[in-house]
Amino acid sequence: AQSVTQLGSHVSVSEGALVLLRCNYSSSVPPYLFWYVQYPNQGLQLLLKYTSAATLVKGINGFEAEFKKSETSFHLTKPSAHMSDAAEYFCAVSGGGGADGLTFGKGTHLIIQP
Amino acid sequence: NAGVTQTPKFQVLKTGQSMTLQCAQDMNHEYMSWYRQDPGMGLRLIHYSVGAGITDQGEVPNGYNVSRSTTEDFPLRLLSAAPSQTSVYFCASRTSGRGYEQYFGPGTRLTVT
Repeated sequence: AQSVTQLGSHVSVSEGALVLLRCNYSSSVPPYLFWYVQYPNQGLQLLLKYTSAATLVKGINGFEAEFKKSETSFHLTKPSAHMSDAAEYFCAVSGGGGADGLTFGKGTHLIIQP
Repeated sequence: NAGVTQTPKFQVLKTGQSMTLQCAQDMNHEYMSWYRQDPGMGLRLIHYSVGAGITDQGEVPNGYNVSRSTTEDFPLRLLSAAPSQTSVYFCASRTSGRGYEQYFGPGTRLTVT
């Protein structure tokens, strides 16, 4: 079985500051990991994914994430927050939920302070 | 490509009513799925399909039915709506196999009174 834990249901950072959203996973098979972003009243959009190639994955909008097997982590970072980054962020692992469906974390709401 | 489309965007039902949430994709994806999103719960898988004629249950299937008669369409049926089914419903599709991106529709916000 797979599971995802996102530390912090709400994270607040100042504009221009580092963004760090934490994700830890458990998986009985080598994991495929995803970060999705959801803007208010919209569907989910893929930010980036890890599929066993490079451990440092670069995504859209300046985000990146590093896969650390020893720590079972896949934290999302961005060097400098922008007001437009305010959204809900979901980490997900593939392989759970039937026929390689996605198992999601509960989400982290990112707040950007001006 | 329109991607994944869902109708309706909003719906209000009374307890006991039935309805069908529509989902269609034009990317020729084999795998389609339905999730519900509730505050503080993330997204949870309701049902999924790996191809036309093949469906299976996810994490929270009770109270919902699905069918897959074509590759393009994957409707979700609420047989007898309950207030616990008040949620935002998302349909998604992807190419079969692990590691492929899931494409999500815009969602249907359902309220059951």
